[in-house]
Amino acid sequence: DIVMTQTPLSSPVTLGQPASISCRSSQSLVHSDGNTYLSWLQQRPGQPPRLLIYKISNRFSGVPDRFSGSGAGTDFTLKISRVEAEDVGVYYCMQSTQFPHTFGQGTKLEIK
Amino acid sequence: EVQLLESGGGLVQPGGSLRLSCAASGFTFSSYAMSWVRQAPGKGLEWVSTISDSGGNTYYADSVKGRFSISRDNSKNTLYLQMNSLRVEDTAVYYCAKGGGRPDYWGQGTLVTVSS
Repeated sequence: DIVMTQTPLSSPVTLGQPASISCRSSQSLVHSDGNTYLSWLQQRPGQPPRLLIYKISNRFSGVPDRFSGSGAGTDFTLKISRVEAEDVGVYYCMQSTQFPHTFGQGTKLEIK
Repeated sequence: EVQLLESGGGLVQPGGSLRLSCAASGFTFSSYAMSWVRQAPGKGLEWVSTISDSGGNTYYADSVKGRFSISRDNSKNTLYLQMNSLRVEDTAVYYCAKGGGRPDYWGQGTLVTVSS
């Protein structure tokens, strides 16, 4: 199975400041079709997960442009350019290149 | 508007069975793979199972293989998860999600509690 490792596990951030979350996979996420199925999801307190980014860097519909994804192969990053209060929650990376699909442990974003 | 509404959760004894349903609307259900993902209390997300658009291909996490069965009825726009031989460690909120490679919409979840 592909292991997804996120760092940090907790990230206190000042409002208006940037935040960054790293995700590393135990093997390459490049699929035989050439795509890399790495997604980022946000889970606000008491809410279901919400897709933010798919295939490394594609923002899903309605996602603010302060969220961006980057990376390749086994190393990926989610960046928030200026953190807002509504961004509080847990962020997960997820690989769906290979079954079983696997998630990172989650990174809790909180406001300082 | 895409909507996914899970139902069927509840309290069940170890060794018991439950069938979860996910009623979908707002998109062409038969054109998309569908998935189940669970979240134990206070824990992270765990992928459970995915079914192809036609239902011809199914995939399972090792932790549920042989006990859970995913299916769909495209005429009813409904996804199912039959859960047998339930264990205490299956206690979780179960979410259905549209898509396999790109889980772009999620339901609100249904709580399954396995306890004696």
